[in-house]
Amino acid sequence: TQLLEQSPQFLSIQEGENLTVYCNSSSVFSSLQWYRQEPGEGPVLLVTVVTGGEVKKLKRLTFQFGDARKDSSLHITAAQPGDTGLYLCAGNNAGNNRKLIWGLGTSLAVNP
Amino acid sequence: DTGVSQNPRHKITKRGQNVTFRCDPISEHNRLYWYRQTLGQGPEFLTYFQNEAQLEKSRLLSDRFSAERPKGSFSTLEIQRTEQGDSAMYLCASSRWDRANGYTFGSGTRLTVV
Repeated sequence: TQLLEQSPQFLSIQEGENLTVYCNSSSVFSSLQWYRQEPGEGPVLLVTVVTGGEVKKLKRLTFQFGDARKDSSLHITAAQPGDTGLYLCAGNNAGNNRKLIWGLGTSLAVNP
Repeated sequence: DTGVSQNPRHKITKRGQNVTFRCDPISEHNRLYWYRQTLGQGPEFLTYFQNEAQLEKSRLLSDRFSAERPKGSFSTLEIQRTEQGDSAMYLCASSRWDRANGYTFGSGTRLTVV
């Protein structure tokens, strides 16, 4: 069974701090997606990474896909209270095109 | 396009009652997914449609759950004889056939079984 492990599970930081969230697996993924979810809402896609070693930037967010396409990281610079939410990673199984494999998420709280 | 729409947003029902949820996906997306999510957990796959065909159904889904997408557009998820353990957020998502832009999720239906 494929698993995506996210760490840390919970993170509470002060506004202005930097943070990194990790998404790890022993399996290879054809691509990996990061979502952000606010309470009472559905997840919203932030980015899709496809190529091993790929780095994508979205304003203060930097996403990296591992060279072996087994892991990914999300780095937030100068976090703001608006970054608060549940960050989820989800991987596309190269052999099963039908559904994503989801991590359990990292719950981030950025305090003013 | 207004995105993926789910109705109702909230549903409170008594144990043993039947409930039905509706999902209207993005019109040009031919793939539609139903997920269930409980507090502090990631989305849990329930079932998946490509056009009107239901191609996969999770083994976690008991016979009390049924989903349809009769014309390949909107979809319904019905839960019969609800149990307290069915209380969760039910999420619908749609995507293009190649999922190049990932999934677009609706806002979900929050079910509470009392």
